[in-house]
Amino acid sequence: NAGVTQTPKFQVLKTGQSMTLQCAQDMNHEYMSWYRQDPGMGLRLIHYSVGAGITDQGEVPNGYNVSRSTTEDFPLRLLSAAPSQTSVYFCASSYGVIRDSPLHFGNGTRLTVT
Amino acid sequence: DQQVKQNSPSLSVQEGRISILNCDYTNSMFDYFLWYKKYPAEGPTFLISISSIKDKNEDGRFTVFLNKSAKHLSLHIVPSQPGDSAVYFCAALIQGAQKLVFGQGTRLTINP
Repeated sequence: NAGVTQTPKFQVLKTGQSMTLQCAQDMNHEYMSWYRQDPGMGLRLIHYSVGAGITDQGEVPNGYNVSRSTTEDFPLRLLSAAPSQTSVYFCASSYGVIRDSPLHFGNGTRLTVT
Repeated sequence: DQQVKQNSPSLSVQEGRISILNCDYTNSMFDYFLWYKKYPAEGPTFLISISSIKDKNEDGRFTVFLNKSAKHLSLHIVPSQPGDSAVYFCAALIQGAQKLVFGQGTRLTINP
């Protein structure tokens, strides 16, 4: 079991470039989510999905798109990168309701936008 | 507006002593609370949780206390060990929702 796998581990983008952060889990988890971690801000929810074909916005969704075509994958797209999107991004998944099955996190993608 | 607050960015404790990490929240709709632990270059890992219908939950060296009237929870680690050195995040779940709200984190350092 690999758990939650995030790729790449590190990425540097120029302002205006687009890219996709990949997230895959092999635990057959229905719930998947993306967080960003910034100094002094903790982790903030970007988007989440409660199952294939269903996505919803979190606290800070602007500038990011997601889709969930399979149970295993939940990619995060940056359409036009901005320096304010410099952050560490974490993908997390859960079997079902979070109170019954706490989130499992990947090891993060560190993104720098210049 | 930070709904979950960890007001101590860092805490230093001697090995063998008790570590107490604090967390305050403002939203009365939170009904489930969790603590996560994070080592550098890794993702957070689940530590312990508590439902709002309880005031205490214990798991080995870790105990979480919830004071609903004060909207305050705390994590006690006793005895503290060097491997406990990490960043600890408090998180809260809104009743009926699947959105976890995190605090800013507290960096715990256990000194030998």
